[in-house]
Amino acid sequence: SYVLTQPPSVSVAPGKTARITCGGNNIGSKSVHWYQQKPGQAPVLVIYYDSDRPSGIPERFSGSNSGNTATLTISRVEAGDEADYYCQVWDSSSDHPNWVFGGGTKLTVL
Amino acid sequence: EVQLVESGGGLIQPGGSLRLSCAASGFTVSSNYMSWVRQAPGKGLEWVSVIYSGGSTYYADSVKGRFTISRDNSKNTLYLQMNSLRAEDTAVYYCARGSPNSGSYIDYWGQGTLVTVSS
Repeated sequence: SYVLTQPPSVSVAPGKTARITCGGNNIGSKSVHWYQQKPGQAPVLVIYYDSDRPSGIPERFSGSNSGNTATLTISRVEAGDEADYYCQVWDSSSDHPNWVFGGGTKLTVL
Repeated sequence: EVQLVESGGGLIQPGGSLRLSCAASGFTVSSNYMSWVRQAPGKGLEWVSVIYSGGSTYYADSVKGRFTISRDNSKNTLYLQMNSLRAEDTAVYYCARGSPNSGSYIDYWGQGTLVTVSS
């Protein structure tokens, strides 16, 4: 089955740029989606199809995907961005397609 | 407005059974990919099961043969029947809707229901 690898934690100062990576074998050939999850809440979609933003998500959130790494970039980080972030792909390589999640990255705003 | 409301979680002994429900509004369950995703305490997200709009069902290896996903079109409700529960099934279970057309990402999540398997 397909495996997605994320760093357990990323720290950034307010106003700076945070980059959260998601590694996978030839992930650039897949569509990557990103979710934000705050404590005690359900996840929220922040990026879909590598770089598209759902309505209501600030332009500060952006995504890219190439080679073996996808990246979620959060510009001008705010305290309210502190959360866990998960990448996800649709894995059609197994005997049945399913959603695969990365292990998650905890973003800490210093 | 799309809403997903789970119910049915609780404390259950190992080996027991539980049925989770997910009442949907604002869209038709049978026209979408619908899944259950779980999150063990302090852990990441894990896909559990999916039912396609055509009715096909699939399961993660960790629950295959023990869990059954189904839907009631008349009630616009998704279910997860969980049998032979184990301690490692303890988690918050989220009902989730796959994106329209491709189903490749989750565009709506429920608030989750906690299942605790313990003696």
